[in-house]
Amino acid sequence: GAGVSQSPSNKVTEKGKDVELRCDPISGHTALYWYRQSLGQGLEFLIYFQGNSAPDKSGLPSDRFSAERTGGSVSTLTIQRTQQEDSAVYLCASSFKQRSEQFFGPGTRLTVL
Amino acid sequence: ILNVEQSPQSLHVQEGDSTNFTCSFPSSNFYALHWYRWETAKSPEALFVMTLNGDEKKKGRISATLNTKEGYSYLYIKGSQPEDSATYLCASLNTDKLIFGTGTRLQVFP
Repeated sequence: GAGVSQSPSNKVTEKGKDVELRCDPISGHTALYWYRQSLGQGLEFLIYFQGNSAPDKSGLPSDRFSAERTGGSVSTLTIQRTQQEDSAVYLCASSFKQRSEQFFGPGTRLTVL
Repeated sequence: ILNVEQSPQSLHVQEGDSTNFTCSFPSSNFYALHWYRWETAKSPEALFVMTLNGDEKKKGRISATLNTKEGYSYLYIKGSQPEDSATYLCASLNTDKLIFGTGTRLQVFP
């Protein structure tokens, strides 16, 4: 496909379980970003990849959150021992290079019961 | 801490009205200002990327201006249509990450 894709589109999980969210960026885009939007909040930066390395992880809310990117392409965001406050829409974006226009995926809506 | 603020928070207008909203951002260490449109159940879509003071960009009925010295940008929609209903987000590029405002939610009534 031509755009950024994310899976799953919706995820409902129980408190304490681990979840993995996937992002497939646009082919050839070197930069990849994760954001989240909690209810009533703006888009919050989580982490950014340039290639497979993450120069900026400053937005990850706690050590329960981690992300990796392999082959300069697919990225996974893992949340361990989920809490109710992790419920949000998690958005992934990619760009051709650092600082250029970002293209967003449709998001994963995570609900932690 | 970089704060990007948008006003108003929400706006209801009649079809055919023109409207505008504001984005303010810290003017120090400015690199670029992005505008996105986010329709319900869709992905945010880039409208403009602006970098130069005095920049003015236009896409159809939507235009934006940028003042980097005082740290604000305006987005204008001329002759609003119901399909313009969406949340309009601005974001300031801080080193390599975008810092988003909370958005202006626009609803255009037929």
